[in-house]
Amino acid sequence: DAKTTQPNSMESNEEEPVHLPCNHSTISGTDYIHWYRQLPSQGPEYVIHGLTSNVNNRMASLAIAEDRKSSTLILHRATLRDAAVYYCIRPSGNTPLVFGKGTRLSVIA
Amino acid sequence: DAGVIQSPRHEVTEMGQEVTLRCKPISGHNSLFWYRQTMMRGLELLIYFNNNVPIDDSGMPEDRFSAKMPNASFSTLKIQPSEPRDSAVYFCASSVAPGTFYEQYFGPGTRLTVT
Repeated sequence: DAKTTQPNSMESNEEEPVHLPCNHSTISGTDYIHWYRQLPSQGPEYVIHGLTSNVNNRMASLAIAEDRKSSTLILHRATLRDAAVYYCIRPSGNTPLVFGKGTRLSVIA
Repeated sequence: DAGVIQSPRHEVTEMGQEVTLRCKPISGHNSLFWYRQTMMRGLELLIYFNNNVPIDDSGMPEDRFSAKMPNASFSTLKIQPSEPRDSAVYFCASSVAPGTFYEQYFGPGTRLTVT
C-alpha cells in the first residue's frame, strides 16, 4: 500500500512547467514525502523529498500543502528527457519505500 | 562514487537453473533493498537489510528465493530453481538507513529471462 494517490498519466508540452499532484491524506506528522522517477529502461531515480516547507533542488521543486495532505512536484521547464513515471511515496518511520503505480508523464515536442 | 552496481545486467537461463544476482551498494550506506519489477505487479520490495542483517523478507515470493549480505559491500539474490514467472527486472537499492528521512539510490537493474 503506497498510501498515496496520483493520476495515472499526464501530458505536457516541452519547455512548459509541469505540476504533478499527489494526495496523501493519512500522512502522519513525521512522514516525509518522497518523489522518485523512472525513465524508460532505467532504475528509479531520487528526485526530491520534504517534510513541511517547500523544497527546491536542481531537478525540481516540491510544494507541500499547509495541512500536508497533498503535495505537488513542479518541473519548471519540461524537456523530452523528463518523460518518465513519477512516483509519490510517503514512507513511515523506519519502513522502506513502497511504490504505487505512479504518474506517467508524456512530454510533447 | 560509482553508485549502486549490479551484475549481470542481463541474464537468460532455462527453467530449473540456479540464478544469482549481485549488488554492490554505495559505500557508507547501511541499508540495502532488493526490488522486482514486472508489468503486471509493478515495483515490489522483496527484502531489505540494515547493517547486513535481513530486516523484512515478507516480500520474498517463495522459498526458491534467498538473499544474503555477507558484508557491507556485497549482496546476492538467488533463485533456485528458476521458473518462467520469475522473469522480471530486479533492482538493488541502497540508503544511509531505511525509513522516511533518507533517500534511496537504485542500481541499473538486472533483466532476468527464464525460458
